[in-house]
Amino acid sequence: NAGVMQNPRHLVRRRGQEARLRCSPMKGHSHVYWYRQLPEEGLKFMVYLQKENIIDESGMPKERFSAEFPKEGPSILRIQQVVRGDSAAYFCASSPLDRRYEQYFGPGTRLTVT
Amino acid sequence: GQQLNQSPQSMFIQEGEDVSMNCTSSSIFNTWLWYKQDPGEGPVLLIALYKAGELTSNGRLTAQFGITRKDSFLNISASIPSDVGIYFCAGQLEGTYKYIFGTGTRLKVLA
Repeated sequence: NAGVMQNPRHLVRRRGQEARLRCSPMKGHSHVYWYRQLPEEGLKFMVYLQKENIIDESGMPKERFSAEFPKEGPSILRIQQVVRGDSAAYFCASSPLDRRYEQYFGPGTRLTVT
Repeated sequence: GQQLNQSPQSMFIQEGEDVSMNCTSSSIFNTWLWYKQDPGEGPVLLIALYKAGELTSNGRLTAQFGITRKDSFLNISASIPSDVGIYFCAGQLEGTYKYIFGTGTRLKVLA
């Protein structure tokens, strides 16, 4: 049973470009969380999704950031018009329906904005 | 906003010693999770706690969900070099699906 997969592992974007980060949850998991981590800091909650439904996006910046988890395919975190301050590690975690409170993390995508 | 105070920030210990770290907050939590993160990797779930007062072990690790539901601790017994890493607590805020992470405890084990 493969773990949570994220790609790309590393992403470099110039200021103003768009960044798309993908997360494939563990098989059988129907919930996805996205987090952001700055160096030497803890993880900051961004958004919680079920398939085709955003449950809680209270941690997402109101502008430029969006997330989706379609019926088919991976969850996508999209950052439009990236700025240097968006540089960080972005992690997704998935959880199973029957143990929704256990989160299993992917290896992360490290975004660098130049 | 909500905050989780995790202490200590870092620890240097001798191999074989026991380690204790904790997280406290003014907010109430429904669930506590403890994670270990190695450099360049995602956090790995160590222990999950669901009820106030619950004490759970996973090998040399023991964690407890505080009675007030505002704190949790993690103990590591007889530490070994591979225990080195950053340990995070995460609490699920009451009434939400949202998890708040602590700032991490950086553990270094001296052989």
